[in-house]
Amino acid sequence: DTGVSQDPRHKITKRGQNVTFRCDPISEHNRLYWYRQTLGQGPEFLTYFQNEAQLEKSRLLSDRFSAERPKGSFSTLEIQRTEQGDSAMYLCASSLQNSGNTIYFGEGSWLTVV
Amino acid sequence: GESVGLHLPTLSVQEGDNSIINCAYSNSASDYFIWYKQESGKGPQFIIDIRSNMDKRQGQRVTVLLNKTVKHLSLQIAATQPGDSAVYFCAESNTGANSKLTFGKGITLSVRP
Repeated sequence: DTGVSQDPRHKITKRGQNVTFRCDPISEHNRLYWYRQTLGQGPEFLTYFQNEAQLEKSRLLSDRFSAERPKGSFSTLEIQRTEQGDSAMYLCASSLQNSGNTIYFGEGSWLTVV
Repeated sequence: GESVGLHLPTLSVQEGDNSIINCAYSNSASDYFIWYKQESGKGPQFIIDIRSNMDKRQGQRVTVLLNKTVKHLSLQIAATQPGDSAVYFCAESNTGANSKLTFGKGITLSVRP
């Protein structure tokens, strides 16, 4: 396994369109996180899954955002009716509970809303 | 509220010198701390971590120091190399909760040849 994988790496979309990002965590990692990062800032927590259960959502995650992890493996993050303010890098991370809790990040998915 | 902050926005060091990057945190419930390195256009890369029951941990060319009394964390990089140039983030979490990380704003390390 080569780490957390994210797809697509870059996405340019028109305002109002929907976009979906996919994350494949490190094998057997039961915790999966989504973060958002804008230029010059540290990553901000969006949401977190333990297995298939979404256990916490940030207030940053408006109603236009939805994340799923249906089988407890890969996850998707969908943004509906995109706005220019959604332009950011969306990072996925994973960890194995009770095994150090070290959180490993993917390379991110860049979103540009025009 | 919770916050994790870095004292300096940029740090410039000569190649071969040691680098020290400092970080302050305010959540006394945090028991796990991580340093990440982020190169332009890439995701954060794990460098080293430390738990609150330790005050020092060493890796390859890196050392993390934790001072819980003053809620201070530092990353020391020995013999800094051009490849160390990046943005560095400290992050904290409470592993008794959900282990989500709270990041600071980051500091840019620039290595002069």
